Amino acid sequence: EAEVAQSPRYKITEKSQAVAFWCDPISGHATLYWYRQILGQGPELLVQFQDESVVDDSQLPKDRFSAERLKGVDSTLKIQPAELGDSAMYLCASSGSGQGRNIQYFGAGTRLSVL
Amino acid sequence: AQSVTQLDSHVSVSEGTPVLLRCNYSSSYSPSLFWYVQHPNKGLQLLLKYTSAATLVKGINGFEAEFKKSETSFHLTKPSAHMSDAAEYFCVVSVSGGSYIPTFGRGTSLIVHP
Repeated sequence: EAEVAQSPRYKITEKSQAVAFWCDPISGHATLYWYRQILGQGPELLVQFQDESVVDDSQLPKDRFSAERLKGVDSTLKIQPAELGDSAMYLCASSGSGQGRNIQYFGAGTRLSVL
Repeated sequence: AQSVTQLDSHVSVSEGTPVLLRCNYSSSYSPSLFWYVQHPNKGLQLLLKYTSAATLVKGINGFEAEFKKSETSFHLTKPSAHMSDAAEYFCVVSVSGGSYIPTFGRGTSLIVHP
């Protein structure tokens, strides 16, 4: 069964350092989402792509976060510089088209710890 | 605008007893509603979805949810809890404004006692 791939699974970094997370959606899925999930809370949408275009990035802290999906396939989320409050699980999801366009499939996530 | 409220942060049941996880939503348009489950340190898995077809939706692992428009609710139920059901459950509402932008509830932690 096709899956959303994320790497790394775990990342430990020091504050002020740069970190990057990678996501490869299910093949053929046009929509890709990045979420941040703080421990004990629900996922918060950071950015949503439709192919290579950003649909919604209203909750993305643009002074330090950036996201790209240059060829409309895989995507990278970057934080520079990382802050202590960025410690969280970062989840990637993708969805297809037609009747399945609002069903999200999630990767296992990247757990970030900022020291 | 859309929002979702999960009424309980924690639900504790004994194995073999029924499960009820409550979710209320608010949406300006006809919503799509979902329940996802998350086991520790894992991603989210879709349990079931409502997308304007039958109001009683059956999902995986014996879970069901009923869409009640008059009550703006989409509660998740299971007749008999299993130890493996212990996890975090999220209710999600999504409406189409060109693209579907989902809104998550804060989650309900299901605890199952032997």
